[in-house]
Amino acid sequence: AQTVTQSQPEMSVQEAETVTLSCTYDTSESDYYLFWYKQPPSRQMILVIRQEAYKQQNATENRFSVNFQKAAKSFSLKISDSQLGDAAMYFCAEFNAGGTSYGKLTFGQGTILTVHP
Amino acid sequence: DADVTQTPRNRITKTGKRIMLECSQTKGHDRMYWYRQDPGLGLRLIYYSFDVKDINKGEISDGYSVSRQAQAKFSLSLESAIPNQTALYFCATSDPNGGGRTITDTQYFGPGTRLTVL
Repeated sequence: AQTVTQSQPEMSVQEAETVTLSCTYDTSESDYYLFWYKQPPSRQMILVIRQEAYKQQNATENRFSVNFQKAAKSFSLKISDSQLGDAAMYFCAEFNAGGTSYGKLTFGQGTILTVHP
Repeated sequence: DADVTQTPRNRITKTGKRIMLECSQTKGHDRMYWYRQDPGLGLRLIYYSFDVKDINKGEISDGYSVSRQAQAKFSLSLESAIPNQTALYFCATSDPNGGGRTITDTQYFGPGTRLTVL
């Protein structure tokens, strides 16, 4: 079974600074995707970024980028030029695109990000 | 209008009551999911359905049942609610083929239902 671990329950950053959220995962599958979702106080789950495991290039989406280390099974999220609107709970998740667990999305415990003005 | 809707948004009920949470989507996705969110545990999968005739248990299905009434509708029932089912419940949809505004195998979530069992 796959597991996803976010070891930072809480993080904080000053507005305009950069912050990195950590995530590690464990899966026996070779075909999988990794995601970061954001959950603001409105509780809506919002897709931030996605990475296919077969791609070596790290995904980027405007101020959001990832550092995908496949051998280490690490998938961190970097937020540059942090804004007050980035304050939220962030979830890392792993999706099995093959094998016996195909189609299942497994979430980490979440990291609460606070942005200070 | 939202692509994935959930009703009700908030519900308070008593132990032993039967509760149904409903999910509807206009995204045209075949796959639908139910999750619960508890503090410190993230989201955990309760049930999932890859099409109208295909329903599967997730990691925490005990005490829950589901019904896939149509491609667009997926309901979650608590037959006899208990206090430890107090949680935030999410419905999600996905499409293995992607296209348009949909990214392949990416789950899109409804706004959630806050359920409190007294």
